[in-house]
Amino acid sequence: EAQVTQNPRYLITVTGKKLTVTCSQNMNHEYMSWYRQDPGLGLRQIYYSMNVEVTDKGDVPEGYKVSRKEKRNFPLILESPSPNPTSLYFCASRGGGYGETYEQYFGPGTRLTVT
Amino acid sequence: AQSVTQLDSHVSVSEGTPVLLRCNYSSSYSPSLFWYVQHPNKGLQLLLKYTSAATLVKGINGFEAEFKKSETSFHLTKPSAHMSDAAEYFCVVSDQYGNKLVFGAGTILRVKS
Repeated sequence: EAQVTQNPRYLITVTGKKLTVTCSQNMNHEYMSWYRQDPGLGLRQIYYSMNVEVTDKGDVPEGYKVSRKEKRNFPLILESPSPNPTSLYFCASRGGGYGETYEQYFGPGTRLTVT
Repeated sequence: AQSVTQLDSHVSVSEGTPVLLRCNYSSSYSPSLFWYVQHPNKGLQLLLKYTSAATLVKGINGFEAEFKKSETSFHLTKPSAHMSDAAEYFCVVSDQYGNKLVFGAGTILRVKS
């Protein structure tokens, strides 16, 4: 089954603790992206990657890092995120090359709570 | 830069009546526009997309949207609401490279029996 998977689905952590949320897709997509969803704000893009070793900032990259060492994986790293990282995070991927606007396929989401 | 404004944060309709969810966009080039739906505690699913072909776009589950360049609008409609349509709907615009998506704030649709 074609899908985007994220792990963990739920995570409670404390301020200042580094953590990684994994994202994997089995559709051989070149493009992958991370979003955070906050009430009343919709989804905002954190980082995206157009291919292995090619990443770029979205609208809210502060406090996050990403890496793309393999085509199928695009982990999101929270080191000392600021402002409040408590949010719902979605990973997405899409097919097509540069400039294509095919639909993005979203993972199930990771709910992160930072205390 | 692009932006999206969803004009209603909440819409309530009775089952069997028409649905209208309004979206205005701003873009400095010919946009690609999407509507996504998110059911409670679920991920996002694509309803339909506009990519400069026909201005009336048909999607899944009986939804459709009309691209109106003169009004910079991309409103989502459905002739007859079903209880299963209750969800949050997002209007989305893509940059010209297909890499950056800008989401509207969302419209929560409530369907009354």
